[in-house]
Amino acid sequence: ETGVTQTPRHLVMGMTNKKSLKCEQHLGHNAMYWYKQSAKKPLELMFVYSLEERVENNSVPSRFSPECPNSSHLFLHLHTLQPEDSALYLCASSQERQAQVNNSPLHFGNGTRLTVT
Amino acid sequence: GNSVTQMEGPVTLSEEAFLTINCTYTATGYPSLFWYVQYPGEGLQLLLKATKADDKGSNKGFEATYRKETTSFHLEKGSVQVSDSAVYFCALSTDKLIFGTGTRLQVFP
Repeated sequence: ETGVTQTPRHLVMGMTNKKSLKCEQHLGHNAMYWYKQSAKKPLELMFVYSLEERVENNSVPSRFSPECPNSSHLFLHLHTLQPEDSALYLCASSQERQAQVNNSPLHFGNGTRLTVT
Repeated sequence: GNSVTQMEGPVTLSEEAFLTINCTYTATGYPSLFWYVQYPGEGLQLLLKATKADDKGSNKGFEATYRKETTSFHLEKGSVQVSDSAVYFCALSTDKLIFGTGTRLQVFP
């Protein structure tokens, strides 16, 4: 039990589909993150939410749309994706956004393995 | 800009062998340094950290020393086990957390 739960674990979608990834944390944290993990590349930070407000968007294409309805839930809505978007998408949380840098480690979910066909 | 460079894997070892995974960094200011581990089918979890020069982080038999003079934070373990097989990520933080590409470790009995 990691405290951060992601669903689904695996997702296969066509380029014209619309799907959503879900993340839920049971740790009482105030900051949540979406990362993209691709083979042989550093983890790419996509979005950061602090107290349900988006505070960082790292030049992510608009076909990825995050939503944070409350401090425990984070979604990533997907539409008209490309094959190069196939990757492992990781959700993470931390106690505070700034504190995660030094004192409060990130807690990761197990990820959603996305394949775009 | 800030960056982390890790040795390419996979690193393949026999059980009880000595492990070193190299990590060097480029950063302005005084970053904190971390090692995260990702076991098969799981997300990343913090393994150890060091927040200032000459600090040594340790956990589960793994160690890494913050070397400011060589801008390095190499991960070591004296005797690896099959259960240590995973991907290891070096990371640094100043105002945000930056990860390396990861190094896969495979330990065989």
